[in-house]
Amino acid sequence: KQEVTQIPAALSVPEGENLVLNCSFTDSAIYNLQWFRQDPGKGLTSLLLIQSSQREQTSGRLNASLDKSSGRSTLYIAASQPGDSATYLCAVRGYNKLIFGAGTRLAVHP
Amino acid sequence: DVKVTQSSRYLVKRTGEKVFLECVQDMDHENMFWYRQDPGLGLRLIYFSYDVKMKEKGDIPEGYSVSREKKERFSLILESASTNQTSMYLCASSPVSDGVLDTQYFGPGTRLTVL
Repeated sequence: KQEVTQIPAALSVPEGENLVLNCSFTDSAIYNLQWFRQDPGKGLTSLLLIQSSQREQTSGRLNASLDKSSGRSTLYIAASQPGDSATYLCAVRGYNKLIFGAGTRLAVHP
Repeated sequence: DVKVTQSSRYLVKRTGEKVFLECVQDMDHENMFWYRQDPGLGLRLIYFSYDVKMKEKGDIPEGYSVSREKKERFSLILESASTNQTSMYLCASSPVSDGVLDTQYFGPGTRLTVL
């Protein structure tokens, strides 16, 4: 059974820092991996989707990598800003559903 | 722009009541999903539907049922609400690309409290 773990559960950093969020999964037979952002009390917004054949995806200050063989993904946020404060969730996709991690709650303070 | 709407942002119900949570998407997506989200547990799939009148159990279907009479609408039903069903409920929809699910688009969520 696929399990997805995110470390750390919470992170607090000063503005401007570069940071890395980690996601690990137990079954490497995935179609893709997706990173989402969730603001308090809101739904999820898709940030990046990496297909199983890809190694990384970039969007602005965000870069996500995927290493299927080791069951790991990282989300790199460059030059963090207070507006980046949110919960970040990773999810791996099997054939017909997503399996989510519990998320990393990020706080970026001025 | 894809839009997924949920009928209520906040809902308070009493134990034993029948509860309906409605979700509507406007992008003609084949697939729709219901999740619940609890602190420390992430999102867990309750039910999903890949076509009108079709449904599949997710990981935690006990105590829930669903209805999909029209393509754009997917309803989650709590037949007899219990306090352990207090949670945030999120609906999502997605198209199908090359036989595999594409990106899921989420609604804003319904925070349900059962007293």
